[in-house]
Amino acid sequence: NAGVMQNPRHLVRRRGQEARLRCSPMKGHSHVYWYRQLPEEGLKFMVYLQKENIIDESGMPKERFSAEFPKEGPSILRIQQVVRGDSAAYFCASSPRGSSNQPQHFGDGTRLSIL
Amino acid sequence: QKEVEQDPGPLSVPEGAIVSLNCTYSNSAFQYFMWYRQYSRKGPELLMYTYSSGNKEDGRFTAQVDKSSKYISLFIRDSQPSDSATYLCAMGDMEYGNKLVFGAGTILRVKS
Repeated sequence: NAGVMQNPRHLVRRRGQEARLRCSPMKGHSHVYWYRQLPEEGLKFMVYLQKENIIDESGMPKERFSAEFPKEGPSILRIQQVVRGDSAAYFCASSPRGSSNQPQHFGDGTRLSIL
Repeated sequence: QKEVEQDPGPLSVPEGAIVSLNCTYSNSAFQYFMWYRQYSRKGPELLMYTYSSGNKEDGRFTAQVDKSSKYISLFIRDSQPSDSATYLCAMGDMEYGNKLVFGAGTILRVKS
């Protein structure tokens, strides 16, 4: 979808395990955003990153969640010690520049299921 | 009160009808307004992007923004079964940084 690649598409974890979600932005885009979508709810902002920098993590839970966007490779959203409430669709978006006047383009998401 | 309110539907219309989708918001700081279409098990696809108040047209789609009323609309003319999807409104502003605030989405069903 719009060139943003997310993998895996589906991820099943047992409670207490770690989940790693990957996102490769569109070509030419250096700004990445992560959102979470719960059933029958809109997307909720989690974190905004540039290469090697976290710019805004105001939507991230204080514990167990972390994100990175290294100089080389995809952006990673990491959830440690997963719980049932972490079950959701996680979407990544990218934009060429980090400004509100730059439309964000989304990937097809990773659907995380916690057993 | 949610920052962005959107009727979840579902909205069911016959093929060829004009569809009106709406969102209201509470934060007058929002300057950028977007409509996304999301098919089942897929990511949001950007349909329309507008800045401040006014209208924007693209093919069968028209987006309207009324900042004085804090109300935005998306009109779909000559609706097709392929338009059946969830439509999400989203908005942002420099004061919000780069995060978008989304409505919960309206489910649209176009019957042939």
